[in-house]
Amino acid sequence: GAGVSQTPSNKVTEKGKYVELRCDPISGHTALYWYRQSLGQGPEFLIYFQGTGAADDSGLPNDRFFAVRPEGSVSTLKIQRTERGDSAVYLCASRGGSYNEQFFGPGTRLTVL
Amino acid sequence: DAKTTQPNSMESNEEEPVHLPCNHSTISGTDYIHWYRQLPSQGPEYVIHGLTSNVNNRMASLAIAEDRKSSTLILHRATLRDAAVYYCILFGNYGQNFVFGPGTRLSVLP
Repeated sequence: GAGVSQTPSNKVTEKGKYVELRCDPISGHTALYWYRQSLGQGPEFLIYFQGTGAADDSGLPNDRFFAVRPEGSVSTLKIQRTERGDSAVYLCASRGGSYNEQFFGPGTRLTVL
Repeated sequence: DAKTTQPNSMESNEEEPVHLPCNHSTISGTDYIHWYRQLPSQGPEYVIHGLTSNVNNRMASLAIAEDRKSSTLILHRATLRDAAVYYCILFGNYGQNFVFGPGTRLSVLP
């Protein structure tokens, strides 16, 4: 079956612009996670959704970052007033049922010039 | 969050076994030990997980110390495709996020 997909695969923007990154989880998966990965480091947790609600948003670095999942499937990560330090690969993962395995998408590489 | 420590890098020859260690001395009784790996330009993928007993699957084996303060991921015959960064993660509660460290970068030599 289809895995987790993320669009776009690459996004280049200018400092100060607004960007949206999309995640399509595996159908039926109720849990959805966003992570950010900088070069040479492991993924860093940003936010976790259980259904439509954000169960844990403690990893969002500041109020420029926001994520939604209005219908409990697709999720959008939104970054306002982008900064060069936001450049990273943004990963999405989903999990279904009580089994703890997370399925990761290929990521969106964001470059802020 | 409970933390893990892993060597930064390891090297193996193709078709030889590889033992990737992980220390997790602050593990709690309900923490599962998960291993993921990340191939170049891809998202992490699940390898194996366990709680107390050793585990085997088609990808690897997981050996867990009796005191659970360390574990070892075993790749029985490394292939070039196994070159990746391997992450050892503790996962305690249903729904809790993963805390990734820097992992171990495994190089496989032909």
